Amino acid sequence: DTEVTQTPKHLVMGMTNKKSLKCEQHMGHRAMYWYKQKAKKPPELMFVYSYEKLSINESVPSRFSPECPNSSLLNLHLHALQPEDSALYLCASSRRVPTGTMSTDTQYFGPGTRLTVL
Amino acid sequence: KNEVEQSPQNLTAQEGEFITINCSYSVGISALHWLQQHPGGGIVSLFMLSSGKKKHGRLIATINIQEKHSSLHITASHPRDSAVYICAFQSMDSNYQLIWGAGTKLIIKP
Repeated sequence: DTEVTQTPKHLVMGMTNKKSLKCEQHMGHRAMYWYKQKAKKPPELMFVYSYEKLSINESVPSRFSPECPNSSLLNLHLHALQPEDSALYLCASSRRVPTGTMSTDTQYFGPGTRLTVL
Repeated sequence: KNEVEQSPQNLTAQEGEFITINCSYSVGISALHWLQQHPGGGIVSLFMLSSGKKKHGRLIATINIQEKHSSLHITASHPRDSAVYICAFQSMDSNYQLIWGAGTKLIIKP
């Protein structure tokens, strides 16, 4: 199984809603990532989890709240989002966690959740 | 100046043609990735390389560390190869962060 799955595929929410995005991998990968991608732009890194602990937060607003309940699952909780948060949210995982010396590893990406905030 | 430059931005070709997409970067890197993104989202990692050449099916990726340049080649192109191809690298300074190119939109016509 070399797959990263994401649900839902599409999500439409109002600015007052609370919703969650889910990401799952069963490859035994120890690092998981959330990216945000706007149209015609490359993905922007949001969060990195290493060994189920948040290791990197790229100054993401608190209305995005990540959670890693176990080594296979990564959630992104959304609350009080703005229309400009509408984007494709991609999850990825890698076998090795990013560290100061171990630098290279393939990231496996999920299909993404297309989020629209009204 | 962007740290990574891809060319061309857009490429339309006929089925069967040999395709080359180029990527140049300006800093020291620990690895370079080639990824494919189809319309509608999902990204697929095609190659990760730090030297030499890799081949997978009809895809070939090469990198020249001295010249800070990488190429992705597609032989016997097919309409299903139509996608955006992105190069991204991990710099020696920040190994967790992928620095992404703008992508090359490839259309293969039957």
